[in-house]
Parts: sequence; C-alpha cells; structure tokens
Amino acid sequence: GEDVEQSLFLSVREGDSSVINCTYTDSSSTYLYWYKQEPGAGLQLLTYIFSNMDMKQDQRLTVLLNKKDKHLSLRIADTQTGDSAIYFCAETPTGGGNKLTFGTGTQLKVEL
Amino acid sequence: NAGVMQNPRHLVRRRGQEARLRCSPMKGHSHVYWYRQLPEEGLKFMVYLQKENIIDESGMPKERFSAEFPKEGPSILRIQQVVRGDSAAYFCASSPTAGVEAFFGQGTRLTVV
Repeated sequence: GEDVEQSLFLSVREGDSSVINCTYTDSSSTYLYWYKQEPGAGLQLLTYIFSNMDMKQDQRLTVLLNKKDKHLSLRIADTQTGDSAIYFCAETPTGGGNKLTFGTGTQLKVEL
Repeated sequence: NAGVMQNPRHLVRRRGQEARLRCSPMKGHSHVYWYRQLPEEGLKFMVYLQKENIIDESGMPKERFSAEFPKEGPSILRIQQVVRGDSAAYFCASSPTAGVEAFFGQGTRLTVV
C-alpha cells in the first residue's frame, strides 16, 4: 500500500531557508502536494506538482521531485515566524481522484 | 464564496453516545471527502462521497461509522457508540470535480470522555 514519510521536526532561524523532505512509495502517484496546518486550523494547500515535472517554483516556495528516488522536498526561502506550522506532504495515485495519502507531518519552528 | 464549513468545531461525547459531524462543501462542489487525524499523526482518508452516493469507503472502520451526502443539506459523518479511541480531529474536504485541488474545512475535534 501507499506510504508517505517525513521527518518530525525542523528548526530554522528567521531569514534562513527551510527544506522539508518527504519520501513516498507509490510509483503510480499522479500529484504530490504540500499542505500547511496551523494550530487548531484546517489544512491549507500550499502547492502541488504533477508527477511528470521535477521542479515547481511559486514565490518563496520551491518544490523538487526526484521520481527515481521517490523523494519530494519543499524549500521555503527567507523563512518567517509566520511560517511556523506543521507541513504535510500528500499524494494521490492515478485515478484516485482527491483521495489523499498524507505523511505524518513536519513541525517547522522558526526562531528569531 | 464561503469555504468548507464544518460544525461543530468541538464536540464532547461520553462513551456509548452518538456523534454527528456535519460538513457543508463550498458552493458548486459535489465531491466530499472525510479524513481523520489522530493525535500527533497525519490525516487518514476515510470516505469519498458525491451527492447521494458513496464512491469509496475503503478507509471507514467496518462498524459504528457511517457517512452520507444527501441531495439537500450537508454531508454527515456519524459515529455510533463512541469509544475513547474515536477522539480525533475529523476533517472534511470538497472539490468541484475529482480533479486536483480539494479545499479543507477547519475540522471538528471530537473528545470522548
């Protein structure tokens, strides 16, 4: 079955870049997503990448996809205190509609 | 256009009671998904519904849990005879089609005492 793994914690200083990593097992993944969850809130879609792409950039966010290694990363440039949250990687298989398989989440802490 | 609305935001139930969680999708969205987030875990898919139909319930526990999305009104996730292990955050998401982006509600946090 599908499995998505992430490291649990990441701590960075304000202004530095953050890189959050994710590995997945389902080779039929069609879309890969990054969601942000702030305390007590729902999930906010940050960005997504189609499996035939290897990079996508959106303002401060850069997504890199290595299909061979089934590795996905999210880079946040110039990290701010408002970026402190839990970041979830998720994937949908081909034909899976919006049935998402989520990683366990990475808690990002931004320190002054 | 209001986002996905879930209510209640917080729900406390005693063991053995029933819990009803409601989800109103965004306007124009006919696809609804329910996910459960146990403490300090990621979200796990439960069920995918379209109006009046259950499309995929592969993540639903076999007993005590049911979901519906009637022609009129919100989608309902119903948990009968709740147990402490049902304590979790339950999130609903909706999309206009089975396409790329699903929008999430803020969740219902169920506590079973």
